[in-house]
Amino acid sequence: EADIYQTPRYLVIGTGKKITLECSQTMGHDKMYWYQQDPGMELHLIHYSYGVNSTEKGDLSSESTVSRIRTEHFPLTLESARPSHTSQYLCASSEHGRDTEAFFGQGTRLTVV
Amino acid sequence: DAKTTQPNSMESNEEEPVHLPCNHSTISGTDYIHWYRQLPSQGPEYVIHGLTSNVNNRMASLAIAEDRKSSTLILHRATLRDAAVYYCILFGSGGGADGLTFGKGTHLIIQP
Repeated sequence: EADIYQTPRYLVIGTGKKITLECSQTMGHDKMYWYQQDPGMELHLIHYSYGVNSTEKGDLSSESTVSRIRTEHFPLTLESARPSHTSQYLCASSEHGRDTEAFFGQGTRLTVV
Repeated sequence: DAKTTQPNSMESNEEEPVHLPCNHSTISGTDYIHWYRQLPSQGPEYVIHGLTSNVNNRMASLAIAEDRKSSTLILHRATLRDAAVYYCILFGSGGGADGLTFGKGTHLIIQP
């Protein structure tokens, strides 16, 4: 069973609010990822990290930011939420290399009203 | 990044084998073939991966063509719980972000 956790599971918030989506893993993985997925659509990589103090932007441009101060923790922040940010956000982690599997959290479904 | 092509949807009967195809004609020699699935309202779940040889695990089998331009995920005995979107992904050293790139996948429908 995957040991990667996302909180909250669901979030409804007003426009202009600052929000932080939490992601934690207990597997000691160096690589962590954030994906964004709209209903019925494919996942898009928005951020990833190779380890502590490493953050990179993914294929899809996003107004969110991430930080990696501890190996196990990879939070995503939106400074000022907008309705266009309404989506599902999925966090994942893996070991380095291509011959390895990624573990995904259950996701946070964000609705900005 | 190398691309994959999968059928939009497939339908199968419960307790029968399911063969999910994937074409990846532009695969490079160092690309691994990964399969993930996503059940409704869940995050994706790893199924299997391979490089050149066929692979088996408790969930499925992966058959890789000799020229590696296509592969097939085999579910030996489908159950209703296997209804999901299945993604075939090439994970390699191509340019761009170093993460799994998901396409639209195949929506597998299992009939009781």
